[in-house]
Amino acid sequence: EVQLVESGGGLVQPGGSLRLSCAASGFTFSSYSMNWVRQAPGKGLEWVSFIRHDSSDIYYADSVKGRCTISRDNVNNLVYLQMDSLRDEDTAIYYCAREWFGELNWGQGTLVTVSS
Amino acid sequence: DIVMTQTPLSSPVTLGQPASVSCRSSQSLVHSDGNTYLSWLQQRPGQPPRLLFYKISNRFSGVPDRFSGSGAGTDFTLKISRVEAEDVGVYYCMQLTQFPYTFGQGTKLEIK
Repeated sequence: EVQLVESGGGLVQPGGSLRLSCAASGFTFSSYSMNWVRQAPGKGLEWVSFIRHDSSDIYYADSVKGRCTISRDNVNNLVYLQMDSLRDEDTAIYYCAREWFGELNWGQGTLVTVSS
Repeated sequence: DIVMTQTPLSSPVTLGQPASVSCRSSQSLVHSDGNTYLSWLQQRPGQPPRLLFYKISNRFSGVPDRFSGSGAGTDFTLKISRVEAEDVGVYYCMQLTQFPYTFGQGTKLEIK
């Protein structure tokens, strides 16, 4: 069974940093691309970042470009999102999602709250 | 960026009756590999999103056959043949043809 478990969320002050993690199990992690998607309270879904299975391609939304870094560890089946210079508008639930030709499996999400 | 526009944004439906959501993209979603990467997601209250369909009409594991996905190019439709109480939630279309990936605004399905 595919399992994706996000962690690392919490309360952080504006300008601060957080590193989110997503632990994958139940599939061959090194064969799949991964995404981060977020959802602000009461709002819709916003794609944040993508990393190909071998880290050969990486993309970011304009809203986080220059402030976020996606990476992965194919030995320990982990994908990360390093978030720096956090702003109030980064407050959201952050989901990781496994991708295979348009097929997406989603984790339960981790809440990031940016507030002073 | 590809803009995804859903209609309606809210859909009150009677139990047992059909429901439909439309999604239009600002440009063709046909990828250079010949596939059309249009997905439909369901988000029940308090839950993470759940995949219903990928590549327009490929039903994901566990999705009831009262749901169907169709369309081509820039126009796509999600249909529910007979709405059940468990179908309440928000439905999103999403394109994965071109970066940045983008979502529709969401359509809230409610029971009358």
